[in-house]
Amino acid sequence: DQQVKQNSPSLSVQEGRISILNCDYTNSMFDYFLWYKKYPAEGPTFLISISSIKDKNEDGRFTVFLNKSAKHLSLHIVPSQPGDSAVYFCAATGGGNKLTFGTGTQLKVEL
Amino acid sequence: DTGVSQDPRHKITKRGQNVTFRCDPISEHNRLYWYRQTLGQGPEFLTYFQNEAQLEKSRLLSDRFSAERPKGSFSTLEIQRTEQGDSAMYLCASRRMTAKDTQYFGPGTRLTVL
Repeated sequence: DQQVKQNSPSLSVQEGRISILNCDYTNSMFDYFLWYKKYPAEGPTFLISISSIKDKNEDGRFTVFLNKSAKHLSLHIVPSQPGDSAVYFCAATGGGNKLTFGTGTQLKVEL
Repeated sequence: DTGVSQDPRHKITKRGQNVTFRCDPISEHNRLYWYRQTLGQGPEFLTYFQNEAQLEKSRLLSDRFSAERPKGSFSTLEIQRTEQGDSAMYLCASRRMTAKDTQYFGPGTRLTVL
């Protein structure tokens, strides 16, 4: 069963606008969530994370929001830049061990 | 930090051959993880080590797969009698043992089984 879901396989936004990537999870034991960015033929690169005790974490242009009651998190990128074009993976862990990943969202930032 | 490194980056082999991949984690990272990623999917957990001890194995890790981390530093992942279904990107990650710490990934080894 898919415990972490990214229901949008792709997203296209204009340069300078906001990109919002969504992720849903089903396992209540997850207590730490991460976003990774991946270019083709490379490993995932860590972007930002959030603990379940928080509802928001911000790092520069990237903000992650967590809604525990809805088991939903989102990544906001403002402003979006062409270099942000990549596949974004949401991941979750419980107890700090293995990561469970979603299937990814392909973000394309257009000029 | 020099980052997680993996070798080789690409491997093409014929069905039935054995292959071995190496991962060098970030120094002083106690935990080392192996994942596999196929097209259109996110990485899937295979196994992880704390120092030299292998603490968990996924049911994805059939008996043709074996992983070692003999001295608690680098790790190897061996696949025996490769099958076409083993074609995937094999990713290694490491992190400190501190709870909730982030896993950092290497560039991966792309395996193609002909």
